[in-house]
Amino acid sequence: DTGVSQDPRHKITKRGQNVTFRCDPISEHNRLYWYRQTLGQGPEFLTYFQNEAQLEKSRLLSDRFSAERPKGSFSTLEIQRTEQGDSAMYLCASSWNRDKPQETQYFGPGTRLLVL
Amino acid sequence: AQKITQTQPGMFVQEKEAVTLDCTYDTSDPSYGLFWYKQPSSGEMIFLIYQGSYDQQNATEGRYSLNFQKARKSANLVISASQLGDSAMYFCAMREGPLGNNDMRFGAGTRLTVKP
Repeated sequence: DTGVSQDPRHKITKRGQNVTFRCDPISEHNRLYWYRQTLGQGPEFLTYFQNEAQLEKSRLLSDRFSAERPKGSFSTLEIQRTEQGDSAMYLCASSWNRDKPQETQYFGPGTRLLVL
Repeated sequence: AQKITQTQPGMFVQEKEAVTLDCTYDTSDPSYGLFWYKQPSSGEMIFLIYQGSYDQQNATEGRYSLNFQKARKSANLVISASQLGDSAMYFCAMREGPLGNNDMRFGAGTRLTVKP
């Protein structure tokens, strides 16, 4: 399977705990995006990387959230001191910036987080 | 600020019939891209079709076509010959900028149910 993969698929944690999610993009893609999706809503942009550089962060990404892509391949999203409001689906997407006007993002299956 | 509106929270269609899912958008950028994604209950966002703001013809991909009316700022998705497997959430999304550096914004989605 050469699509975007995410791990874990589901995570249940207690409020105040730290959690980390991993995303493996499509291998030839140089851009990687993180989104958050709450029930009944469309995905909301959190941040994106081009290779290992984090180029843009949404205001939704509070200081409890940190994302890395150390070698320009896989990425991790960490949430510290989780709150019940962090419960959501966390989606990862990747794309290849080929100087097209608008490249297409391909999504992974998501990590569903529940904070108790 | 860009904005995507999907006014149909839910739609029903009989198997083998065609259905149109509405999407309107708001942007002041002359260059943008419009996307439709399908999200089954499994959670993964599946890319369906793309329309660029400067494209002269409406995009088509198999049973999917995009009815792009630039002056009205609408980008409706038409699914022909509906199948039971088409039952899912459908999201319209937009991205501004010729190099695709801006984040992608999604509508709230439309839940399509195909009846046998």
